[in-house]
Amino acid sequence: NAGVTQTPKFRILKIGQSMTLQCAQDMNHNYMYWYRQDPGMGLKLIYYSVGAGITDKGEVPNGYNVSRSTTEDFPLRLELAAPSQTSVYFCASSYSPLAGGPVEEQFFGPGTRLTVL
Amino acid sequence: GEDVEQSLFLSVREGDSSVINCTYTDSSSTYLYWYKQEPGAGLQLLTYIFSNMDMKQDQRLTVLLNKKDKHLSLRIADTQTGDSAIYFCGGGSQGNLIFGKGTKLSVKP
Repeated sequence: NAGVTQTPKFRILKIGQSMTLQCAQDMNHNYMYWYRQDPGMGLKLIYYSVGAGITDKGEVPNGYNVSRSTTEDFPLRLELAAPSQTSVYFCASSYSPLAGGPVEEQFFGPGTRLTVL
Repeated sequence: GEDVEQSLFLSVREGDSSVINCTYTDSSSTYLYWYKQEPGAGLQLLTYIFSNMDMKQDQRLTVLLNKKDKHLSLRIADTQTGDSAIYFCGGGSQGNLIFGKGTKLSVKP
């Protein structure tokens, strides 16, 4: 298993440009997440998805969009890049049973470092 | 919603014990977690504790949970330089974990 993969690893954008950060997992996890991590700060949840076709906002969704057309893929779209979106973006996935059950460990991708100038 | 607080820095000498503390607000969290982040990498689950437990030991790691005070701690015995990393505590309900800002552990030889 490749686990959670993210592309690209690094990207520099100009203000106003758009891009899509790709995330894929091959563990058949139903939950997927996008976080951003600013320097010296913890993770903030941008969006998450509980299954194909279902997405929901996290703590900091403004300026981003997501879609979940398949179980495997969960791309994050930035439409009009702003310097405030300079950050490291982590995608994660987990399996959640219907009720109770095993620990819900989140598996993280290696991150995408985005700079907006 | 859940709010998770932890101190930002901890410095210890190699061989000493490290104790990283965390407080949380949402008492409905089923599990509470400790994740480790090494430089340039994503987070990896280190250990977890079920909310009806007081303590969990896993080799060099001891997790203590005081549910009344909503306080979680991670003790690392015989801390090694390889333990230098950022440690995040997290809690929440299914699918929606809230992480603290992370505690940067520096281990001096």
